[in-house]
Amino acid sequence: GENVEQHPSTLSVQEGDSAVIKCTYSDSASNYFPWYKQELGKRPQLIIDIRSNVGEKKDQRIAVTLNKTAKHFSLHITETQPEDSAVYFCAASRSGGYQKVTFGTGTKLQVIP
Amino acid sequence: EPEVTQTPSHQVTQMGQEVILRCVPISNHLYFYWYRQILGQKVEFLVSFYNNEISEKSEIFDDQFSVERPDGSNFTLKIRSTKLEDSAMYFCASTLWGRTGANTGELFFGEGSRLTVL
Repeated sequence: GENVEQHPSTLSVQEGDSAVIKCTYSDSASNYFPWYKQELGKRPQLIIDIRSNVGEKKDQRIAVTLNKTAKHFSLHITETQPEDSAVYFCAASRSGGYQKVTFGTGTKLQVIP
Repeated sequence: EPEVTQTPSHQVTQMGQEVILRCVPISNHLYFYWYRQILGQKVEFLVSFYNNEISEKSEIFDDQFSVERPDGSNFTLKIRSTKLEDSAMYFCASTLWGRTGANTGELFFGEGSRLTVL
């Protein structure tokens, strides 16, 4: 089955700096890569996703890149703000997302004001 | 905005007892899921459900677990005989997949049901 590795497990940045979280996946058939943000005690919420026919996607301060050959994908947050502090999970799925989503182990991001 | 709703928000039970967790997925969604998250760990897939049957399940979803859609709105997860290691947050989720041109693949999670097994 799919295995998603994520690093770092914790990340502290100063407010205004950039944060980068990296993931690798094992199943070459995976074609949908969402990123979820989970605040303490809350549900995971989708912040951005990318499909395998696209190499990069951007939405305001967040961007994702995907390297299918290397089975790597990354989340970039620019101009970080304290409200960005949360746990971020990368994930992978086949068939666009209706099949099971395999989550990474999470990155706890702390943005220091 | 439509939401996935779950009840109860927290349940405490004794080991060996049966537990039923309830979910109301978003009304026009077609795929339903249960995921669990042990405290401080990653979100793990348990089961997916489509067209009134299980479409996929993980190795965690053994004979002690079952799912049901008893009517047009509810989706339940039953744990027959709870174990200490079943203590976790259980998230129900749904997705719109299946409606042409409408799906983004996004999982819409409920707020979760925290299960504590003593």
